[in-house]
Amino acid sequence: EVQLVESGGGLVKPGSSLKLSCVASGFTFSSYGMHWIRQAPKKGLEWIALIYYDSSNKYYADSVKGRFTISRDNSKNTLYLEMNSLRSEDTAMYYCAKGGRWGQGTLVTVSS
Amino acid sequence: DTVLTQSPALAVSLGQRVTISCRASKSVSTYMHWYQQKSGQQPKLLIYSASNLESGVPSRFSGSGSGTDFTLTIDPVEADDIANYYCQQSNELPYTFGAGTKLELK
Repeated sequence: EVQLVESGGGLVKPGSSLKLSCVASGFTFSSYGMHWIRQAPKKGLEWIALIYYDSSNKYYADSVKGRFTISRDNSKNTLYLEMNSLRSEDTAMYYCAKGGRWGQGTLVTVSS
Repeated sequence: DTVLTQSPALAVSLGQRVTISCRASKSVSTYMHWYQQKSGQQPKLLIYSASNLESGVPSRFSGSGSGTDFTLTIDPVEADDIANYYCQQSNELPYTFGAGTKLELK
């Protein structure tokens, strides 16, 4: 069974950095592209990043381009999202996803 | 970017048939997917590629459409189906979501 477990969220101040992790199990992680998707409180869903199975290509939403970096370590079955220059509007639940299967999310709150 | 438009809310009675619509601002072929999200939970995939039922999803859920117009049908609606429903396109990056349709009981 596919399992995705995110971690690394928390309360941070505007302008600071945070790195999220997503540990995958139940499938051959190194064979699949992976996504990060976020949901602001009481709001809809926003796709923010995609990384190919071999890290050869990475794509970002305009809202995070230049500030966030998606990466992966296939030897550790782990997906990452490094977030810099955080803003209040980045406050959201962050989900990692493999196709239609999502983790439970990790909450990032950006507030002074 | 491809904008997906959904009705904000629908009021339904248990046992009835309900159709949730999603309109894309440009053709997405059949690269349209439907998710259900209950309060405090992550979204759950119901339908992929417009009309394919995800494994384990009850057969009262179905999807149809291609190009720009898509529908998710629930027939009959059960109490457990009261949730938010989102469409998502994966035809082109950025992968976009509709704003969601909140299914409510009459």
